[in-house]
Amino acid sequence: DGGITQSPKYLFRKEGQNVTLSCEQNLNHDAMYWYRQDPGQGLRLIYYSQIVNDFQKGDIAEGYSVSREKKESFPLTVTSAQKNPTAFYLCASRTPSGANVLTFGAGSRLTVL
Amino acid sequence: AQSVSQHNHHVILSEAASLELGCNYSYGGTVNLFWYVQYPGQHLQLLLKYFSGDPLVKGIKGFEAEFIKSKFSFNLRKPSVQWSDTAEYFCAVFSGTYKYIFGTGTRLKVLA
Repeated sequence: DGGITQSPKYLFRKEGQNVTLSCEQNLNHDAMYWYRQDPGQGLRLIYYSQIVNDFQKGDIAEGYSVSREKKESFPLTVTSAQKNPTAFYLCASRTPSGANVLTFGAGSRLTVL
Repeated sequence: AQSVSQHNHHVILSEAASLELGCNYSYGGTVNLFWYVQYPGQHLQLLLKYFSGDPLVKGIKGFEAEFIKSKFSFNLRKPSVQWSDTAEYFCAVFSGTYKYIFGTGTRLKVLA
């Protein structure tokens, strides 16, 4: 089955630690996105990437970093500089131009202790 | 800057009632408009989309939405809701900048 796999599903972190959330897709999509979902705030865009080795900041990129070394993979690092990292993180990939529909992963819930 | 506003944060309806959820966007250029739905415990999934042409678009499960360009709106409607429509609904905009922006979401609860 084609889709997006996010791991881990749940993650606990101590303050001051960096953590990396994995996102892998086998849909052969070029574009990938990371969102943060908080109650009452919807989905806020963190980073997005149109092609390998290229990515752009979204609306709330501070305290996060990404890489796009392979088409299938778009990992997100939540750094210690992120002031309020406890949240639900969603990864998505976008079908090519003409459709532009997002396929989402199941999400990763990060809790900072 | 591109943005999306959803005016209803929580909506409670009885079964068979009609539904209309508001969505307004701000962007000066051409956009693709979407409604996504997140059922309890499930992934976000596409409900319907508008690219061009007929401004009234139909989606899955009897949902429809109307694009009104002059009002920058893309409201979601359903004539008669069911208990199974209980979910969170998100309006989204995709533009030529490749940003894909979502609204704050509307939680719909349908009472049986």
